[in-house]
Amino acid sequence: AQSVTQLGSHVSVSEGALVLLRCNYSSSVPPYLFWYVQYPNQGLQLLLKYTTGATLVKGINGFEAEFKKSETSFHLTKPSAHMSDAAEYFCAVSGGRGAQKLVFGQGTRLTINP
Amino acid sequence: DTAVSQTPKYLVTQMGNDKSIKCEQNLGHDTMYWYKQDSKKFLKIMFSYNNKELIINETVPNRFSPKSPDKAHLNLHINSLELGDSAVYFCASSRQGPNYEQYFGPGTRLTVT
Repeated sequence: AQSVTQLGSHVSVSEGALVLLRCNYSSSVPPYLFWYVQYPNQGLQLLLKYTTGATLVKGINGFEAEFKKSETSFHLTKPSAHMSDAAEYFCAVSGGRGAQKLVFGQGTRLTINP
Repeated sequence: DTAVSQTPKYLVTQMGNDKSIKCEQNLGHDTMYWYKQDSKKFLKIMFSYNNKELIINETVPNRFSPKSPDKAHLNLHINSLELGDSAVYFCASSRQGPNYEQYFGPGTRLTVT
């Protein structure tokens, strides 16, 4: 079975500061990893994904994430936070034959302080 | 053009009623899903259909019945609604394969009173 743990249900940073959202996964098969963002009262939007190949993945809005197999981690970063980054962020894993479903972490609410 | 659309956006109903949520995607995807997001924002898969065939049913009560009339549509019918069914329900679609990202609809907020 696959699972995802997001460390910190709420992260608060100042505008212009580094954003770091942590995600650790558990998977018995090579994982496919995703970060989604959810703005209030909206659906989920893909930020970035890791499938195979380069372990540093760049996404939209200046976000990037690095897949570290030895640490079973896929942390999301952004060098400089913007007020518009305030949202709920979800890390998710899928993988394995017949397991075409996303297993989500519990989410991290990102607050940006002016 | 909206990629994945859901209707209605809000649904308020009383316990014991039956209701349906509709979902349509215009992305040409083969696979569609229903997810439930609870009051703590936790998201969990309910069902997955591939080419109109049910492939995932995650121990959802049989009061919930998905129906896929064609590849572009996946509807969710709920019988005998209970208070615990109150949640946001998201439809999603993707190409076939776990390495493909899923595209989500805007969600349907169901409130059972």
